[in-house]
Amino acid sequence: AQSVTQLGSHVSVSEGALVLLRCNYSSSVPPYLFWYVQYPNQGLQLLLKYTSAATLVKGINGFEAEFKKSETSFHLTKPSAHMSDAAEYFCAVSEGVGTGTASKLTFGTGTRLQVTL
Amino acid sequence: DGGITQSPKYLFRKEGQNVTLSCEQNLNHDAMYWYRQDPGQGLRLIYYSQIVNDFQKGDIAEGYSVSREKKESFPLTVTSAQKNPTAFYLCASKDRANQPQHFGDGTRLSIL
Repeated sequence: AQSVTQLGSHVSVSEGALVLLRCNYSSSVPPYLFWYVQYPNQGLQLLLKYTSAATLVKGINGFEAEFKKSETSFHLTKPSAHMSDAAEYFCAVSEGVGTGTASKLTFGTGTRLQVTL
Repeated sequence: DGGITQSPKYLFRKEGQNVTLSCEQNLNHDAMYWYRQDPGQGLRLIYYSQIVNDFQKGDIAEGYSVSREKKESFPLTVTSAQKNPTAFYLCASKDRANQPQHFGDGTRLSIL
């Protein structure tokens, strides 16, 4: 069984400061990992994905994440926070290759990012 | 533009009433999903479907039903057996294994 843990349900940073959102996973097979962002009353938008290629993954809006197998982590970072980054962020893990079209995602409980002036 | 359309955006249910949430996609994706989102609990899978006329229960299927008569449509019915239906419901789809899911903008269901 797979699971995702997001440490910190709320994170607050100043505008211009480093953003670090933590995600740890467990999976019995090589994982595929995703970060999504959700703005109020909207659906989820894909930020980036790890699918066993490069361990450092660059996404949209200046975000990136590094896959560390030894630490079972996939933390999301952005060097300089902007007010528009305020949203809820979800980490998700999918079963690996060979599980068919409808491989399921398991989501973390989310981290709400607040950006202050 | 291709995408996923959920309707209505807001829905109200009376006691003992069944309501149906619509989800339509024009991305030509085979797999479709329904999730329920509650504050502090992330997304929980209700039902999913790999192909037309086939669907499987997710983690919290009790009190819900679905159909998949067309590739582009995957409606969710919240039945009167679902005693706590107030939540934000999200529909998603994807085309191939381990590709990211694409999400609609959700339907917020409340009890009158």
